[in-house]
Order: sequence, then C-alpha cells, then structure tokens
Amino acid sequence: GAVVSQHPSWVICKSGTSVKIECRSLDFQATTMFWYRQFPKQSLMLMATSNEGSKATYEQGVEKDKFLINHASLTLSTLTVTSAHPEDSSFYICSASVWGSGNTIYFGEGSWLTVV
Amino acid sequence: QKEVEQNSGPLSVPEGAIASLNCTYSDQGSQSFFWYRQYSGKSPELIMFIYSNGDKEDGRFTAQLNKASQYVSLLIRDSQPSDSATYLCAVNPRGDKLIFGTGTRLQVFP
Repeated sequence: GAVVSQHPSWVICKSGTSVKIECRSLDFQATTMFWYRQFPKQSLMLMATSNEGSKATYEQGVEKDKFLINHASLTLSTLTVTSAHPEDSSFYICSASVWGSGNTIYFGEGSWLTVV
Repeated sequence: QKEVEQNSGPLSVPEGAIASLNCTYSDQGSQSFFWYRQYSGKSPELIMFIYSNGDKEDGRFTAQLNKASQYVSLLIRDSQPSDSATYLCAVNPRGDKLIFGTGTRLQVFP
C-alpha cells in the first residue's frame, strides 16, 4: 500500500510552547490529507481536512487558531499545536487519500504528544 | 444515533476459531467501507475495503456488506493470538472523509 510518514513519532514539550508535526506521502501525491486525534482507549476523531494549496477545513469543535494546518505541497502537510497545554496530550495521526482503484486512506505512524 | 456503531467488546475467541466483527452505519448514501486494525499505541493499518453488496475475501479475512441493512462485518478465520487488536470500521459517507466507529477489541487466546 501507499506509504505515509509522520515525524516526530513522539515529542514532549512544555506547556505554552508550540509543536509541529509533519506528514509526508512518500510514494504518491496526496491532494488531500487528514489529521486525527486519538485519546487513550477512544476512537479516532477527525480534526481537519487539509487540501493542497488551500485552507484546511476544520471539524466542529476544533480550534483552527490552536491547531494550525499547512499543506504547502502535494507530499507534505504540517500540524502545529500552538500554546500547547497538558489537555492537548494525545496521539495525533495523519492520513492521506489515494484515489483511483480502491479510493483508500492510509495512515502515518502517528505522533505521541505529551505536554508537561 | 452515531454515524458508525460498533460493539466495543472485548470479543474473546479461542485460537483457530472464527472471529466475527460487526458494524452498522446510519448514512444510507455511504458508498465505501473499510476495516482497519489498530494495535495498542500504534496507528491503524488497512485490512480491507468493500464497495459492493456481498462478500469479499482476502486470505483469512472476509468482509461482508449489506447496504439494505446498513451493515458491514469482518470475519477472521483461523484466528491467531497476533490478531488480538482493536478493529475499526470506517465509512465514507460523502467526498473523501472517513467516519470511524469506536472499534471492537478482539482477544484471541491460545
């Protein structure tokens, strides 16, 4: 299947600082990428849909000024958690859609964020 | 009503048995359906997708779709302890957005 790479795999930051997570499609061009958040023992919650060259579409309840998404190229989307707080500690996962045969969505490895 | 519903489990089956995982969805216009497996602390990995009514087989996995009943299932034959994970059902109701169920935790015991 298609390869989606996420970096960093885990990060610890101090409360009030900002953290950037990168998501790359390695062997295909992704016009659309998605960002999910997953708290322990809960399901994946879609945060936003990122389209290359345009503003991200955020799901209801997700603060767009806090979770900045940039999709500057067909292979890279970034999520920046600004002014992070302990309640932002979670597993953040990006995914990219591969259209054509299958129309499937592949996930990156995920990034564990711990805010202390 | 949740858009995608799954029994959270755990579903416990003995090694070698058939594990049956079920999922219902609310949007009748949904066209594509996916099963993902997620090990604890890891990202989901795609197992299968299905678009048409009926069965689709891939190795030990069989996905079943019944659009009239808005029901999709995953059968795992010859279950192995390594199959122990959370299985996520996902539905694509429109566009390219996936809606996930809460997942069913499967435990396969030796």
